[in-house]
Amino acid sequence: LAKTTQPISMDSYEGQEVNITCSHNNIATNDYITWYQQFPSQGPRFIIQGYKTKVTNEVASLFIPADRKSSTLSLPRVSLSDTAVYYCLVVGTGGFKTIFGAGTRLFVKA
Amino acid sequence: DTAVSQTPKYLVTQMGNDKSIKCEQNLGHDTMYWYKQDSKKFLKIMFSYNNKELIINETVPNRFSPKSPDKAHLNLHINSLELGDSAVYFCASSQESGGGGSPLHFGNGTRLTVT
Repeated sequence: LAKTTQPISMDSYEGQEVNITCSHNNIATNDYITWYQQFPSQGPRFIIQGYKTKVTNEVASLFIPADRKSSTLSLPRVSLSDTAVYYCLVVGTGGFKTIFGAGTRLFVKA
Repeated sequence: DTAVSQTPKYLVTQMGNDKSIKCEQNLGHDTMYWYKQDSKKFLKIMFSYNNKELIINETVPNRFSPKSPDKAHLNLHINSLELGDSAVYFCASSQESGGGGSPLHFGNGTRLTVT
């Protein structure tokens, strides 16, 4: 299973764009890159998933370069309520075993 | 409508007791999971079930026994509770194997405190 590396923590201010980069050098051909968000006292929540290039939804954008060895989660104009832990995962088909790393703790300040 | 619901939300008990945590999902998913999040916030998979069949058991002590009466339910029974079992336990579900295209949906957790 591909291992991911992401910053332990990041600080930002309200209204700024936040980019969290994740490294996954050993990503396999059939792996997808998936991001989850976890607020205190809640379970992780799926944010976005992509295979290559760029994916955008109402919450975030995910940028994946051609070699797929890294990815960047982009949160536009963060607010205080975006303070959470963000997990980057690579997930293959099958396996029934989604593995979470340590995540990035994002703290948004006023 | 709550997609994945767990009960109870909080559970405080003494060492040596036996306790159960219940989980239900109304998403029609085939696969359900139990994860444990310890005080350092690491989220570790414990079990995964697909169509009521055990698929993954991540070297969890025998004191932990999951039971899936049907596809929508996965309960976790813990015997002879120990201090180290204190953690937040999350139930999750996914369509198929949780791979690409089938992300996990989590409940809000059960905080277990063993004294």
